[in-house]
Amino acid sequence: GEDVEQSLFLSVREGDSSVINCTYTDSSSTYLYWYKQEPGAGLQLLTYIFSNMDMKQDQRLTVLLNKKDKHLSLRIADTQTGDSAIYFCAEIYTGGFKTIFGAGTRLFVKA
Amino acid sequence: NAGVTQTPKFQVLKTGQSMTLQCAQDMNHEYMSWYRQDPGMGLRLIHYSVGAGITDQGEVPNGYNVSRSTTEDFPLRLLSAAPSQTSVYFCASSQGPADTQYFGPGTRLTVL
Repeated sequence: GEDVEQSLFLSVREGDSSVINCTYTDSSSTYLYWYKQEPGAGLQLLTYIFSNMDMKQDQRLTVLLNKKDKHLSLRIADTQTGDSAIYFCAEIYTGGFKTIFGAGTRLFVKA
Repeated sequence: NAGVTQTPKFQVLKTGQSMTLQCAQDMNHEYMSWYRQDPGMGLRLIHYSVGAGITDQGEVPNGYNVSRSTTEDFPLRLLSAAPSQTSVYFCASSQGPADTQYFGPGTRLTVL
């Protein structure tokens, strides 16, 4: 079946880079997403990548996709305290109308 | 343009009570869905709708009902609340099944 896995916690120092990793199972996924959830709020789309791309850069964010290993990563350069949040990896499951979410990685940024 | 709105933000119920969580979107999106978020489990799909009058079950539909009489509204009904339904509920909408989902702010429900 379809599944998306992420580590649950990551702690970094302010100014360092953060790398959040995700693995997925549906090799025919067309879109892979990163959502950000701040405390007490809903999910906001952070960035996404098409399955025919290997990398996408958007200001401080870099998404890397390794289709062979079904591995997706999100790198945040110069991490700030405002980046502290839960980050969800998600894939569109092509077997039906379904977005499969990982359990979320809680990023702690230490000043 | 308010996006996706949900009411109420917080709710406490007793076991066996019923209630409806409201969700509305003003983006003319065809696709709407309800998720529940539990610690360490990410988001799980409860029910979804591909357009007015059409709904289907997601991953965890038991104990919940939905209807979609208009494009804008997609209420979620709990007929007889159980403590296992204590969770944070998110409504989301998108233009199509493979499009970006826009989430509401969530409803935090506690069932005693």
